[in-house]
Amino acid sequence: DVKVTQSSRYLVKRTGEKVFLECVQDMDHENMFWYRQDPGLGLRLIYFSYDVKMKEKGDIPEGYSVSREKKERFSLILESASTNQTSMYLCASSLPGAAFFGQGTRLTVV
Amino acid sequence: GNSVTQMEGPVTLSEEAFLTINCTYTATGYPSLFWYVQYPGEGLQLLLKATKADDKGSNKGFEATYRKETTSFHLEKGSVQVSDSAVYFCALSEDNFNKFYFGSGTKLNVKP
Repeated sequence: DVKVTQSSRYLVKRTGEKVFLECVQDMDHENMFWYRQDPGLGLRLIYFSYDVKMKEKGDIPEGYSVSREKKERFSLILESASTNQTSMYLCASSLPGAAFFGQGTRLTVV
Repeated sequence: GNSVTQMEGPVTLSEEAFLTINCTYTATGYPSLFWYVQYPGEGLQLLLKATKADDKGSNKGFEATYRKETTSFHLEKGSVQVSDSAVYFCALSEDNFNKFYFGSGTKLNVKP
């Protein structure tokens, strides 16, 4: 089975902190994604990567950056966390025709 | 551009009732269509998919048919169970980079 693992299920951070969310997949997928999920808004794409060191902005990249130094790992970085970044963050990797999700990280910024 | 619209929830049904969750899409090319399910506290899991017009995806008693003429991919189940209570997401993917577009999700509550 494909496994996508996010490093934390729950995180609480202070406003202004730099926050790292880590995601690892074990199936050698080229494509990886970061989404945030908010009530009534569904999933919104923050960034995606189709290869090592390659990244593309999604629909809501402001306030975020990403890093993909190795194929299996895709990190989401909040440069200076703000309360409006309190959300559920979902990582995914994909083959043609299917996306596989991690369990999500619920981030609260106080 | 690409987008997915699905019916707002929550949808509340009694056990053994018939379920329909509507989904329509807009796409520039010929996308694949998906339904994902999210149980409480979990990530999304693929429920079913269809890759071309008139294909029917099915899994765990759920079905959806890719209708190109109406740009729809409605999810149906003949008899829901309490364990089907979850949030259901309709999605499409483009061919290039396998980028996925999701609807806003529909919460289903099934009461005993």
